[in-house]
Amino acid sequence: DTVLTQSPALAVSPGERVSISCRASEGVNSYMHWYQQKPGQQPKLLIYKASNLASGVPARFSGSGSGTDFTLTIDPVEADDTATYFCQQSWNDPYTFGAGTKLELK
Amino acid sequence: EVQLVESGGGLVQPKGSLKLSCAASGFDFNSYGMSWVRQAPGKGLDLVADISSKSYNYATYYADSVKDRFTISRDDSQSMVYLQMDNLKTEDTALYYCTVGLHWFAYWGQGTLVTVSS
Repeated sequence: DTVLTQSPALAVSPGERVSISCRASEGVNSYMHWYQQKPGQQPKLLIYKASNLASGVPARFSGSGSGTDFTLTIDPVEADDTATYFCQQSWNDPYTFGAGTKLELK
Repeated sequence: EVQLVESGGGLVQPKGSLKLSCAASGFDFNSYGMSWVRQAPGKGLDLVADISSKSYNYATYYADSVKDRFTISRDDSQSMVYLQMDNLKTEDTALYYCTVGLHWFAYWGQGTLVTVSS
């Protein structure tokens, strides 16, 4: 299975720029997607196919990367962005998710 | 507005069965593949099963961990998707989300909790 590795946690101050990384154990082309999950809520799609902004998602969120290394960038970070961010690949079977990066605001 | 409302979760003993339902609205249900994704308490996300649209002959996928135990189905006339879960194991304990999409999951329901315990 394709393992997606994410840093467990990050802490940033409001107004700063933050980059959340996701590294795949094998190539996934551009089929990497990003989700935001706030405590007690369902996940929400932010980015699909590496760099495409999902409907209704603020332009503060952006995605980049291809192959094995991907990044979700939030610029500027707002207090409401406190959440866990998951990456997910859909190039190799079975589709897999990363363990998530918990973003905390200072 | 897209809405997905799951139901059918609950407490069940090991080797028991449950059937989850998902009522969908606000989009052209017939045109989209649907998936069930689960999240064990305090854990990450796992794709459990998916089903394609009629255009793709209702093709299905199952994770190895649930193959031969779970069955996904859909009723396009009612905009419903189902997950029949048999021979449940303690490791199936999770919040089960109904989602829209096959390759990425554009919309998610609130989830229904399945607890497998004696």
